[in-house]
Formats: sequence, C-alpha cells, structure tokens
Amino acid sequence: DAGVIQSPRHEVTEMGQEVTLRCKPISGHNSLFWYRQTMMRGLELLIYFNNNVPIDDSGMPEDRFSAKMPNASFSTLKIQPSEPRDSAVYFCASSDRDKEETQYFGPGTRLLVL
Amino acid sequence: AQSVTQPDIHITVSEGASLELRCNYSYGATPYLFWYVQSPGQGLQLLLKYFSGDTLVQGIKGFEAEFKRSQSSFNLRKPSVHWSDAAEYFCAVGPPLSGGFKTIFGAGTRLFVKA
Repeated sequence: DAGVIQSPRHEVTEMGQEVTLRCKPISGHNSLFWYRQTMMRGLELLIYFNNNVPIDDSGMPEDRFSAKMPNASFSTLKIQPSEPRDSAVYFCASSDRDKEETQYFGPGTRLLVL
Repeated sequence: AQSVTQPDIHITVSEGASLELRCNYSYGATPYLFWYVQSPGQGLQLLLKYFSGDTLVQGIKGFEAEFKRSQSSFNLRKPSVHWSDAAEYFCAVGPPLSGGFKTIFGAGTRLFVKA
C-alpha cells in the first residue's frame, strides 16, 4: 500500500486566499483524522471521521475551517479565508477502528500564509 | 478526563548511551498505548504499541516499552542510542475498541544525540 497520501506537500499563499488540503487514506481504513502541528501548540486534532461521517470537530479552530469526506478514499480540509496564524504543518492520518487504533500518518502539508 | 503526560520536553544523550523516555497516562481502564516517532520534516511513524498481554513490548529500530499498570506509565527505552534516533517522540493513548474517546497524543519529547 502507498500509505496515506497528502497533497500538496507545500503551500504558500497570501492572507485572505482559500486553501484546500487533500488526503487519500489507506484503502480499507474507516477512520480519518486531520491534525495541525505548530511549535507553540504541538499536535492538535482538528476533526475526525468514521465511515465518512464527522464524529468530532471540536478541534476545528473556527468557521474559517471546514472538512469534508465525500467518500472512503478522499478528504479535504479547507481554510477560507486563510490567515498568517494558520501557518502550520497539517497531517492526515487513517486507521481501521474495527481492528486496532494504530493511526498511520501522511507526510503532511506545510502551509505558509503570508 | 483522559490525558497523556510526557514530563520531559527535551532530552540529550550521548551516542551509545541508554535512553528512557517517560510517559504517564490517565484513564479509568487499561487503554491502548502507543509510541510514535517524528523525524524532522516527516510525519509520525509508529514505533510500538501495547494492547494486552506481555507488558514488555518490542518495537522497531531497537526500541522497547514497558507498561506498568500500578504507575500508569508506558516508558520507552533503548539500550544504545544511535545518532539517527534524534527525533521527536510522542506517547499516545487510544480507547479500547468499546471505548468512546479519541486517541490523545502527549506533547512530545525531543531527543538530541551528541557524538
């Protein structure tokens, strides 16, 4: 398996622009997680899906952030409008909750908002 | 509430020396326990995990961890550190399959290795 795939790997944008991050989980996994990692706040869970349904979005910072999972093989995290404080590394992870809780992480998207 | 504590923000060890990274958790029952490693510029990679059974768990890259129920701890160890082990290490707690909370990650411990 190719593992969790994220795109783009790097994104530089200007404040106010819309940013869309993409994730393809490992085939067969039924849970998907979006995390944000910064020096100041460490690793934060933003939202997670189980069977394509959002289960807990309490970590989403504010209404500027939204996430979707239209099918089992694709998810997006959108920031609109983006702000400099959104600069971080965003990770997607997937797991098979029916078998174990091990999360498999993608390589991350490094976002810089100018 | 469930929580994970990694008391050491960073640790420096000499190459070839032994290593122990501490992790304490708070949960009403025995959860699933994990150690992940993150090398610079990379995502997190699973080192090892404990679900049940033998309390001494072997992982990849020569790491092991011991679950101690009485101390609510799951410390990570390596007998001889290599320079390539320099990275950030995260302890995590996950619910048993019947549980209802999400996996919680500790704040991480950054390991520096000196020659």
